[in-house]
Amino acid sequence: NAGVMQNPRHLVRRRGQEARLRCSPMKGHSHVYWYRQLPEEGLKFMVYLQKENIIDESGMPKERFSAEFPKEGPSILRIQQVVRGDSAAYFCASSKNRDSGNYGYTFGSGTRLTVV
Amino acid sequence: QQQVKQSPQSLIVQKGGISIINCAYENTAFDYFPWYQQFPGKGPALLIAIRPDVSEKKEGRFTISFNKSAKQFSLHIMDSQPGDSATYFCAAALTSGTYKYIFGTGTRLKVLA
Repeated sequence: NAGVMQNPRHLVRRRGQEARLRCSPMKGHSHVYWYRQLPEEGLKFMVYLQKENIIDESGMPKERFSAEFPKEGPSILRIQQVVRGDSAAYFCASSKNRDSGNYGYTFGSGTRLTVV
Repeated sequence: QQQVKQSPQSLIVQKGGISIINCAYENTAFDYFPWYQQFPGKGPALLIAIRPDVSEKKEGRFTISFNKSAKQFSLHIMDSQPGDSATYFCAAALTSGTYKYIFGTGTRLKVLA
């Protein structure tokens, strides 16, 4: 049973380009969360999605950032017109349906975005 | 308030010693408190978690102590080993609603051989 798969592991973008980060949740997990980790800091919530629905995007910057979790395929975090301040590690996590009583997340290994 | 305050920022412990990391939260509605372990270049991995209806939970060398009235919880690592050297994050969440985590700022633990 593969864990949460994120790709690419490392991504370098020039200022103004677009960054696309992908996340495939664990099999059987229907909840996807994206978190951002700045150097030497904790993880900050960005967005929570279920299939085809954004449930909570209260942590997403209002501009340039978007997320989706289509019916088929991975969840995508898209950052348009990247700036140096977007450089960070972006982690995806997935979890089972709450009815299972299991509240833990499983995190992927992250995508480290560097904007040059 | 949504903050979770974690201390210390860094910790050095001798092999075989006890590592203690503390967290404090403000929102009394939080009802799930996990601890995550993160090695360099890796994603956080769930270590142990507690609900507020118990005051202590132990799994192997790892123990969470929970003080509901003080709004504090702590991670104790008994018989610390060099392989425990990592960054540890506490978090708090509401199991109702969107269930997003509020993370502490992390503690970098180094266990000396």
